Amino acid sequence: QLQLQESGPGLVKPSETLSLTCTVSGGSMSSSSFYWGWIRQSPGKGLEWIGNMYYSGSTYYNPSLKSRVTISGDASKTQLSLKLSSVTAADTAVYYCARAQGYLYGVRMRWGAFDVWGPGTMVTVSS
Amino acid sequence: QSALTQPRSVSGSPGQSVTISCTGTSSDVGAYTYVSWYQQHPGKAPKLIIYDVSKRPSAAVPERFSGSKSGNTASLTISGLQAEDEADYYCCSYAGSYTSLFGGGTKVTVL
Repeated sequence: QLQLQESGPGLVKPSETLSLTCTVSGGSMSSSSFYWGWIRQSPGKGLEWIGNMYYSGSTYYNPSLKSRVTISGDASKTQLSLKLSSVTAADTAVYYCARAQGYLYGVRMRWGAFDVWGPGTMVTVSS
Repeated sequence: QSALTQPRSVSGSPGQSVTISCTGTSSDVGAYTYVSWYQQHPGKAPKLIIYDVSKRPSAAVPERFSGSKSGNTASLTISGLQAEDEADYYCCSYAGSYTSLFGGGTKVTVL
């Protein structure tokens, strides 16, 4: 059974870089049928899609965060990482990693629902 | 990109039906069948309950949860509301140009 687990510092200083890791167990990120993504939720607020990575390493980002976000995977295809630079208090949130279903749309791949989620990890930006 | 529009809250008595709307544009909800719905209880991760507009991911998701779409608006209906359905619900749509959009969330209260 596929499981995802986020990990990383719970406290980050303003202007620094937030770095998180998502460890995949019970499977890997090597299938062409899925994307792997990050989603966050600020306290008391809704969900915000941050970005996705395809098994090939191609990445796709929320336009509002694109200049500050980097998503990457490791060689073993079992860890997904998130780096968010120049953080402010507005980046305080629970960060989730999730798997998204991939679909062939014409001749290109797209993704649909996020079907497996990690439990999330709270990150606070504060000095 | 703006978040998809959902009502802030809906409520119903046990056994009643409630419907949550999710309004987007012709570039997201109206353009694709990749609309999904998530249930989130306090302190928990979201759980997928509907994908591809109207499909339930497994038998573990009760049949009382159903989804539909008309034009730029998707809907989630909970029939036969139960106490354990009290939660926050979020819609999500593929939004073109390799992006996803979530709705602002709807709190469902069981009276």
